Amino acid sequence: DQQVKQNSPSLSVQEGRISILNCDYTNSMFDYFLWYKKYPAEGPTFLISISSIKDKNEDGRFTVFLNKSAKHLSLHIVPSQPGDSAVYFCAATAWGGSEKLVFGKGTKLTVNP
Amino acid sequence: DTGVSQDPRHKITKRGQNVTFRCDPISEHNRLYWYRQTLGQGPEFLTYFQNEAQLEKSRLLSDRFSAERPKGSFSTLEIQRTEQGDSAMYLCASSFSSGGSTDTQYFGPGTRLTVL
Repeated sequence: DQQVKQNSPSLSVQEGRISILNCDYTNSMFDYFLWYKKYPAEGPTFLISISSIKDKNEDGRFTVFLNKSAKHLSLHIVPSQPGDSAVYFCAATAWGGSEKLVFGKGTKLTVNP
Repeated sequence: DTGVSQDPRHKITKRGQNVTFRCDPISEHNRLYWYRQTLGQGPEFLTYFQNEAQLEKSRLLSDRFSAERPKGSFSTLEIQRTEQGDSAMYLCASSFSSGGSTDTQYFGPGTRLTVL
């Protein structure tokens, strides 16, 4: 039973346009959400996170939106750059205990020049 | 701050052999995690340490797997009698937890294991 779902395996956008990556979760206990970026043969690199007490967090070109009632979050990248091409993973955790991360399967983003 | 490091980066072994991986976390981090990632999947939690204590293990961690974190510093993950199904990327992550809020986990580059 997948608790974190990224339903789009891939996304292709033009350089300079907006990239929107989506993520849904099912576990109501999750209260902290993260996005990681991964290049082939490397470990995931932390991008941005959001706590359940917020509905938006922004860091430069990256903004994460959280809709708790819909159990949905999205990552917006504006403007998209070719160097953003990678696999993006959504992850969720619950405060307390191990705080282990539960990941989605990832979305491969391709930004075309 | 040199980040999380893992060694080796790649390991090829024959079925039935034992392998050991090492992870060096970010120096002030008291939590250390091991995850496994297979093709087309996101990383899956295996186990975690708070300082030197191993506090949680996933059911994915069969009795052929053992992990240690002596003195709360580096950690090792050993797989005994490897099977082809163990082929995966093994990822280590660390974080600092003061107990007040969830802290970000930072990942190492991973160890790619191939079992022939």
